[in-house]
Amino acid sequence: DQQVKQNSPSLSVQEGRISILNCDYTNSMFDYFLWYKKYPAEGPTFLISISSIKDKNEDGRFTVFLNKSAKHLSLHIVPSQPGDSAVYFCAASSTSYGKLTFGQGTILTVHP
Amino acid sequence: DTEVTQTPKHLVMGMTNKKSLKCEQHMGHRAMYWYKQKAKKPPELMFVYSYEKLSINESVPSRFSPECPNSSLLNLHLHALQPEDSALYLCASCSLGQAYNEQFFGPGTRLTVL
Repeated sequence: DQQVKQNSPSLSVQEGRISILNCDYTNSMFDYFLWYKKYPAEGPTFLISISSIKDKNEDGRFTVFLNKSAKHLSLHIVPSQPGDSAVYFCAASSTSYGKLTFGQGTILTVHP
Repeated sequence: DTEVTQTPKHLVMGMTNKKSLKCEQHMGHRAMYWYKQKAKKPPELMFVYSYEKLSINESVPSRFSPECPNSSLLNLHLHALQPEDSALYLCASCSLGQAYNEQFFGPGTRLTVL
């Protein structure tokens, strides 16, 4: 039972355009959501997070949107840069249980 | 110091060997984690330590034995592994002072079992 799903295995975007990565979840107990970026042969790097009491959080080029009623979140990267090319993992957490549940990941490729 | 370090970066071992993976952080985090990641898959949680005590074991086989000697160090002892245990092993840490599970990951140890 996959509680966090990233339905797009890959996304290709032109440099300077917007990248939109999507994530869906099924567990209503999740109340905190995180995005991690991972380069090959490295550990995941924390990017941005959002609490379930908010619907938007922005940090520089990265914005995360949360739609609780749809159990959907998305990461927007504007403008996209070639250095953003990596695997992006969505993760969800519940404050009552100290565990992150990860999605399958989306490979983002930004073309110059 | 805002990083999690892991040694070794790469490890090749036979099925009868005993080896250990090491993880260290100096951010004052009191929760530490071991994950296993296979190619093209998300990280899978193995163990969680809170205040140096094992709080979560995700039904991991006993050939993996975690140890938390102090608040900065986390070890994973390996014995009699199988080839299917070959994977990237990731350590992470998190501050328990905050309400949410914002984990910081190390670079991982790439393990190959022959």
